[in-house]
Amino acid sequence: EVQLMESGGGLVQPGGSLRLSCAASGYTFSTYEMNWVRQAPGKGLEWVSHISSASRTIYYADSVKGRFTISRDNADNSLFLQMNSLRVEDTAIYFCVRVSGSGRHIDYWGQGTLVTVSS
Amino acid sequence: EIQMTQSPSSLSASVGDRVTITCRASQDVSIWLAWYQQKAGKAPKLLIYAVSSLQSGVPSRFSGGGSGTDFTLTISNLQPEDFATYYCQQANSFPRTFGQGTKVEIK
Repeated sequence: EVQLMESGGGLVQPGGSLRLSCAASGYTFSTYEMNWVRQAPGKGLEWVSHISSASRTIYYADSVKGRFTISRDNADNSLFLQMNSLRVEDTAIYFCVRVSGSGRHIDYWGQGTLVTVSS
Repeated sequence: EIQMTQSPSSLSASVGDRVTITCRASQDVSIWLAWYQQKAGKAPKLLIYAVSSLQSGVPSRFSGGGSGTDFTLTISNLQPEDFATYYCQQANSFPRTFGQGTKVEIK
């Protein structure tokens, strides 16, 4: 069974940093692309970042470019999101998601971790 | 960036109704269009991928259609467990983008 478990969320002041982690299990992590998707309280879904299976290709939403860094450790079945220079508008639930091996859609979602940026 | 626009933003329907949600892309997204269902307090769940392919385990009352820039999600014979928010997403190009969501409520 595919499982994605996020951790690392919490309360941080504006301008601060936070590192999210996602532990993957139940499949061969190293062969799948991964993304982060976020959802602000009461709002819709916003795609944040993409990383290819071997980390060769990385993309970011304009809203986080230059502040967030996605990475992965295939030996440890883990996905990361380093978030720097956090803003109030980064407050959201952050979902770790797997991109399907047979297409470009998201086929599995973690339960999410809440990041609150507030003074 | 490809903009995804869903309509309506919300709708009220009764159990047994047939419901159609529309998603329009600002550019051609080819076959790279998926639909997700999200219930309150839960992570989204994949329903439809590649415009019209039903994800394993999803009831056949859900169907997707369309092409190019105009797509639909249809729920036939609406069930109580279908009351949720639905999102389309394009995966034709980066940045990936979602529609703003359509909330299906009980009439």
